Amino acid sequence: TQLLEQSPQFLSIQEGENLTVYCNSSSVFSSLQWYRQEPGEGPVLLVTVVTGGEVKKLKRLTFQFGDARKDSSLHITAAQPGDTGLYLCAGDLVYNQGGKLIFGQGTELSVKP
Amino acid sequence: NAGVTQTPKFRVLKTGQSMTLLCAQDMNHEYMYWYRQDPGMGLRLIHYSVGEGTTAKGEVPDGYNVSRLKKQNFLLGLESAAPSQTSVYFCASRASTDQPQHFGDGTRLSIL
Repeated sequence: TQLLEQSPQFLSIQEGENLTVYCNSSSVFSSLQWYRQEPGEGPVLLVTVVTGGEVKKLKRLTFQFGDARKDSSLHITAAQPGDTGLYLCAGDLVYNQGGKLIFGQGTELSVKP
Repeated sequence: NAGVTQTPKFRVLKTGQSMTLLCAQDMNHEYMYWYRQDPGMGLRLIHYSVGEGTTAKGEVPDGYNVSRLKKQNFLLGLESAAPSQTSVYFCASRASTDQPQHFGDGTRLSIL
């Protein structure tokens, strides 16, 4: 059973298009993190959201945490080829032993020039 | 500041061979984790540690053992490698449960 469902798994778009990636769960998270991973490297943290309803912006990327802290979204405006990569959401469960993160399956984004 | 360093970066093993993957962090983090990453499955937790001398099982621990004799090092062992263990292995660490995890660059392991 996947605790954190991430969609879509694959996304191929043209430069300049907008896109949204979703992470959904029936569990409540104390925080949710978004990572970006490039080939041959480990995931790198983009943002952490901790408050229900919180919205954070990182240049053309907008991250939102659901009011009930069960879901999150990543929206990219006017995607660029440099945005290509694997995007991962990961959540800290409310009752979390050992600081374990629950990861979504990942979204592989390809932005074509 | 190196962060999280994994060695080796690549390795090819034959079925039944053993090996140890090393993870070292220089950030004085308490928590350390070993994941495997397979296509379409995200990152799955193998084992983790909440401090020096402690280890615990994650989601997919079978076939793996770990040790954390020193705070900065977390070792992942495969006693008898199987083709199903072909994967990319990532180590991560975090200072506390309200801080993000920091990842190494991975070890690509192929079992023939």
